[in-house]
Amino acid sequence: DGGITQSPKYLFRKEGQNVTLSCEQNLNHDAMYWYRQDPGQGLRLIYYSQIVNDFQKGDIAEGYSVSREKKESFPLTVTSAQKNPTAFYLCASSIGPGWTEAFFGQGTRLTVV
Amino acid sequence: GESVGLHLPTLSVQEGDNSIINCAYSNSASDYFIWYKQESGKGPQFIIDIRSNMDKRQGQRVTVLLNKTVKHLSLQIAATQPGDSAVYFCAENQGGSEKLVFGKGTKLTVNP
Repeated sequence: DGGITQSPKYLFRKEGQNVTLSCEQNLNHDAMYWYRQDPGQGLRLIYYSQIVNDFQKGDIAEGYSVSREKKESFPLTVTSAQKNPTAFYLCASSIGPGWTEAFFGQGTRLTVV
Repeated sequence: GESVGLHLPTLSVQEGDNSIINCAYSNSASDYFIWYKQESGKGPQFIIDIRSNMDKRQGQRVTVLLNKTVKHLSLQIAATQPGDSAVYFCAENQGGSEKLVFGKGTKLTVNP
């Protein structure tokens, strides 16, 4: 099956610890994205990448880091610098920028205690 | 702030009725719009898209209308079913940029 896979679905971490969320796609898409969603809210862009070994900050990049060493993978690290990390994180991919839809994974719910 | 927003945060309809979900955008340079459906605890699913050179586009039971004059987008769902209950987001692409901007969403509840 082609698609975009996020793991794990639920993640619990202690405050002060870094945590990495996985995102893999086998759609051969060039562009990948990370969004954060808080309860009752829309999606806010954290980071995006249009091509391997390149990525740009989105609207709320502080406290997060990413890498894009492979076309199919775009992991997100939530660092201890992120003040309010508990949220639902969504990864997406698209063929490229512009007039193309983004396909989403099923999300990772991160809870920091 | 976000340039895409919604008129109503919640919408409740009876099964079989038609639903209309609205969205306003403020960036006149936006030229591509998408509607997504998100069920609880899941990622958004693509419903339908429209480019700015069109006023209307139809899919299966769904129609998207774009009014560029007033920067308004709507999603019409015909014969709404309980499975349509979800949060619906509109998203815009601003002038071919790399990212989509999402609105806050409308929660649609379909009553049997």
